Amino acid sequence: AQSVTQLDSQVPVFEEAPVELRCNYSSSVSVYLFWYVQYPNQGLQLLLKYLSGSTLVKGINGFEAEFNKSQTSFHLRKPSVHISDTAEYFCAVSDRGNSGGSNYKLTFGKGTLLTVNP
Amino acid sequence: DGGITQSPKYLFRKEGQNVTLSCEQNLNHDAMYWYRQDPGQGLRLIYYSQIVNDFQKGDIAEGYSVSREKKESFPLTVTSAQKNPTAFYLCASSTLWPNEQFFGPGTRLTVL
Repeated sequence: AQSVTQLDSQVPVFEEAPVELRCNYSSSVSVYLFWYVQYPNQGLQLLLKYLSGSTLVKGINGFEAEFNKSQTSFHLRKPSVHISDTAEYFCAVSDRGNSGGSNYKLTFGKGTLLTVNP
Repeated sequence: DGGITQSPKYLFRKEGQNVTLSCEQNLNHDAMYWYRQDPGQGLRLIYYSQIVNDFQKGDIAEGYSVSREKKESFPLTVTSAQKNPTAFYLCASSTLWPNEQFFGPGTRLTVL
């Protein structure tokens, strides 16, 4: 079974500072990886995804993430945050297998609340 | 403009009543999902469906029911058997592969 661990439940930072939100996963097979963002009382929006190819993935709003297979990690980074980045961020993983059934599910971490202070 | 709609945005229910949450998508996705979100617990999967007229239980299906009579629609019924129904409910859809999920805006259900 897959699992996702987001190592920090809350990350406070000051505006224009860099930030890293950590995500580790466990899986017995190759995976797809996703980061989503959720603003208060809204649905989730995809920030970026790793499906194959380059391990450095660039997403929307200046975010990027690096897939590290040996460390089973997919940490999210931004070099300079804005007040508007304040939101909850979710890491998710799914199997790359195509045998159907539970392979179509995403497993989500419990989320990291990023708070950007002026 | 393609996307997922959920209605209503806010819903209030008395204890002992069943209530149905709507989810519609026009993305032509085969798979649809229902999640429950509680503070500090992330997203928990209630039910999912990969094809019309078929669906599977997720991790917390007790007290919920679904139907998938049309590809674009996947309504969720919260029954009176659900002990703690107050939560934020999110619907999502995806292609079967890769399963990047697109989310609706959510329905906040409060039991009075």
